[in-house]
Amino acid sequence: AQSVTQLDSHVSVSEGTPVLLRCNYSSSYSPSLFWYVQHPNKGLQLLLKYTSAATLVKGINGFEAEFKKSETSFHLTKPSAHMSDAAEYFCVVSEENQGGKLIFGQGTELSVKP
Amino acid sequence: DAMVIQNPRYQVTQFGKPVTLSCSQTLNHNVMYWYQQKSSQAPKLLFHYYDKDFNNEADTPDNFQSRRPNTSFCFLDIRSPGLGDAAMYLCATSRDRGDSYEQYFGPGTRLTVT
Repeated sequence: AQSVTQLDSHVSVSEGTPVLLRCNYSSSYSPSLFWYVQHPNKGLQLLLKYTSAATLVKGINGFEAEFKKSETSFHLTKPSAHMSDAAEYFCVVSEENQGGKLIFGQGTELSVKP
Repeated sequence: DAMVIQNPRYQVTQFGKPVTLSCSQTLNHNVMYWYQQKSSQAPKLLFHYYDKDFNNEADTPDNFQSRRPNTSFCFLDIRSPGLGDAAMYLCATSRDRGDSYEQYFGPGTRLTVT
């Protein structure tokens, strides 16, 4: 069965510095992977997705993620953090042969200091 | 803009008093999902509709029911809310089922049980 582990429950960065949110997955096949962002009291918004095309995936708001099969990782990065990036981030894998059922990581809360 | 709409955004109900949450979509997607998200946790799938076909998760309590009268609307009924049902309820849609189809989330309804 697939699973997702987000290695940090909380990350704090200063505005203008790089962001790295780490995610490792477990899957017996080549999965579809997603990053979603959730601002306080809001729904989830898709940042980017990987579906076995290019391994470097560019998303919205300057975020990108690289799929590394050898490391079973799908880390999310952004070169320069903005105050508006403060939110909860979920790494998600789509479950094989389960009709698109999503398996969520535990979430990483990103704080951005002025 | 095509979107997923949830009403109301905030709902207060009394212990044991039935409540209905509403979701509508203008995306014309085949699949609609209901998630429960408790504080500081990842969303938990309750059930989904693939067109008119209802799919319940094995661990979803019988207290939770759903209706999808047409493509655009889906309702979540909680027959006898308990204090433990206080949570954010998220509706999501996807064009089809399958690993590569992303889900589009509504803003959520925060349910308080008094």
